[in-house]
Amino acid sequence: GAGVSQSPRYKVAKRGQDVALRCDPISGHVSLFWYQQALGQGPEFLTYFQNEAQLDKSGLPSDRFFAERPEGSVSTLKIQRTQQEDSAVYLCASSRETSGGAGDTQYFGPGTRLTVL
Amino acid sequence: DQQVKQNSPSLSVQEGRISILNCDYTNSMFDYFLWYKKYPAEGPTFLISISSIKDKNEDGRFTVFLNKSAKHLSLHIVPSQPGDSAVYFCAASSRINDMRFGAGTRLTVKP
Repeated sequence: GAGVSQSPRYKVAKRGQDVALRCDPISGHVSLFWYQQALGQGPEFLTYFQNEAQLDKSGLPSDRFFAERPEGSVSTLKIQRTQQEDSAVYLCASSRETSGGAGDTQYFGPGTRLTVL
Repeated sequence: DQQVKQNSPSLSVQEGRISILNCDYTNSMFDYFLWYKKYPAEGPTFLISISSIKDKNEDGRFTVFLNKSAKHLSLHIVPSQPGDSAVYFCAASSRINDMRFGAGTRLTVKP
């Protein structure tokens, strides 16, 4: 079946603009994650959904970042008033896991590369 | 806080030889470890994993070894192929929403 898809693949924004990044997880996957990957670094956790419930948003760097998954499938990460330090690749991942344990594989999308000028 | 470290940013090996990628972690609560492979302009792709109750897991050419006392894991690729050239990320977690990644090691397999 289809994997995780993300759109747009590339986004250039002027400082101060709002952006919205979309993630389509694998069908039937309960858990959805957003990560931020800076150049030369590994992905860093932003937020986690189980179905439509946002169970953890501890990784969101500021209140300018907002994520939602209203119907428990597609998710949107919104960044308001973008700053240059927001430039990064934003990765979405999904997994089947529902029990809260660590032992389930996360499948990643291709990411959205955000550049803030 | 860098709870997962990959101290070698790059590794170059000859085709057919063994590639060994290393990873160290600091959090003793981690109980699940994964390796992801990443090609340019793509997201990380799951490669192999290991639970803390095991010390070895093998899948074809890929074997992951876990040394809990040393808080160290390694990925062995034998034999290495040019198509294995990619960035490899080590990851560790103790619960579903706490996966930590290393900074990655770029593997180049030369023909």
